[in-house]
Amino acid sequence: AQSVAQPEDQVNVAEGNPLTVKCTYSVSGNPYLFWYVQYPNRGLQFLLKYITGDNLVKGSYGFEAEFNKSQTSFHLKKPSALVSDSALYFCAVRDTNGNNRLAFGKGNQVVVIP
Amino acid sequence: EPEVTQTPSHQVTQMGQEVILRCVPISNHLYFYWYRQILGQKVEFLVSFYNNEISEKSEIFDDQFSVERPDGSNFTLKIRSTKLEDSAMYFCASHPGATNEKLFFGSGTQLSVL
Repeated sequence: AQSVAQPEDQVNVAEGNPLTVKCTYSVSGNPYLFWYVQYPNRGLQFLLKYITGDNLVKGSYGFEAEFNKSQTSFHLKKPSALVSDSALYFCAVRDTNGNNRLAFGKGNQVVVIP
Repeated sequence: EPEVTQTPSHQVTQMGQEVILRCVPISNHLYFYWYRQILGQKVEFLVSFYNNEISEKSEIFDDQFSVERPDGSNFTLKIRSTKLEDSAMYFCASHPGATNEKLFFGSGTQLSVL
């Protein structure tokens, strides 16, 4: 079964500094990979996805993520963090081998310090 | 952007009581899901629903759980006899069709079982 690991509970970064949120995955087939963000009292919002093609994927709000098949990773990055990026970030994977469910990580709280 | 709506935002119930969580998916979407997140833990898949029937369910989704799409717009999750461990944030989600598409999530119902 597919699974995702987000090893850090909280990521603290100063405003203007690069932001990285780590994610590794496990699937039996090929992965579809997603990042979602959750702001307080809101549902999960889609940021970006990797399906196939270029390993570097660009998404909403200046975020990007790099698919690394050998390391089974899909880390989320932003070159210059904003205070408004403070939120809960979830990595998710869907296995292309049959089922339709998304497996989520437990989420990372990102705190951007002014 | 269209939204998935969930009601109520908070639900408090006594152990053993039945609860119904309600969701209105986006109108042209074909696949519907329920996920939940127990505080501090991963977002967990419960069930997917397509063409008026369950297409997949997790081991969490036992006989105490049921889903229904009673009128072509609402999508409900019923827990027949709630347990303390059912306390969680429950998210409804939907998407138009293909498995590589993003999910659209509601803002969740926080269920507290006392």
